[in-house]
Amino acid sequence: EAAVTQSPRNKVAVTGGKVTLSCNQTNNHNNMYWYRQDTGHGLRLIHYSYGAGSTEKGDIPDGYKASRPSQENFSLILELATPSQTSVYFCASGDGRLGRDTQYFGPGTRLLVL
Amino acid sequence: GEQVEQRPPHLSVREGDSAIIICTYTDSATAYFSWYKQEAGAGLQLLMSVLSNVDRKEEQGLTVLLNKKDKRLSLNLTAAHPGDSAVYFCAVSSGGNYKPTFGKGTSLVVHP
Repeated sequence: EAAVTQSPRNKVAVTGGKVTLSCNQTNNHNNMYWYRQDTGHGLRLIHYSYGAGSTEKGDIPDGYKASRPSQENFSLILELATPSQTSVYFCASGDGRLGRDTQYFGPGTRLLVL
Repeated sequence: GEQVEQRPPHLSVREGDSAIIICTYTDSATAYFSWYKQEAGAGLQLLMSVLSNVDRKEEQGLTVLLNKKDKRLSLNLTAAHPGDSAVYFCAVSSGGNYKPTFGKGTSLVVHP
């Protein structure tokens, strides 16, 4: 059984619309991450969290918000989606041991903003 | 901040050959190093991790070498087979910073 799941797996949105990507983990990890993956850029960190109630800005947070209501769930919110946010989004969890944060990834969400 | 360069971006080898992927990093405080594999349409899967006090680690046909002096990390797939075809990423992080920095990936194709 998958330990990190994402929903939806595919999403088509309109420009200016609100999009919420959800992530659930059963690893009981403290840390959770949202990345986007684009050709030529590899993985880029958008937001991350150290635990329930915490969210931190990653390297490219503009245009995105995050919410961590519980240990298990971490959401990425696009309040006003733009075509430049068309990408594949990955959620990951990590146990947060100091300097040893091996990450476990979900299967990804393909987002197309028209 | 940390900068990671990964090369080559594309690699094509024949079955049974070795495939070597290299990452260089800039932060001398980097303490944790990982390699991930991403198959088509899937998320990243951890292959191997090493701490900075390890120079060499081998597991199941994979060898990770760490040269701290040159700030270079390598992954060697010995005797590659078509099932190894995927995109490979290195990731590095410093001791007090949970945020890893990823390389841009190497697309490996192993031909029968």
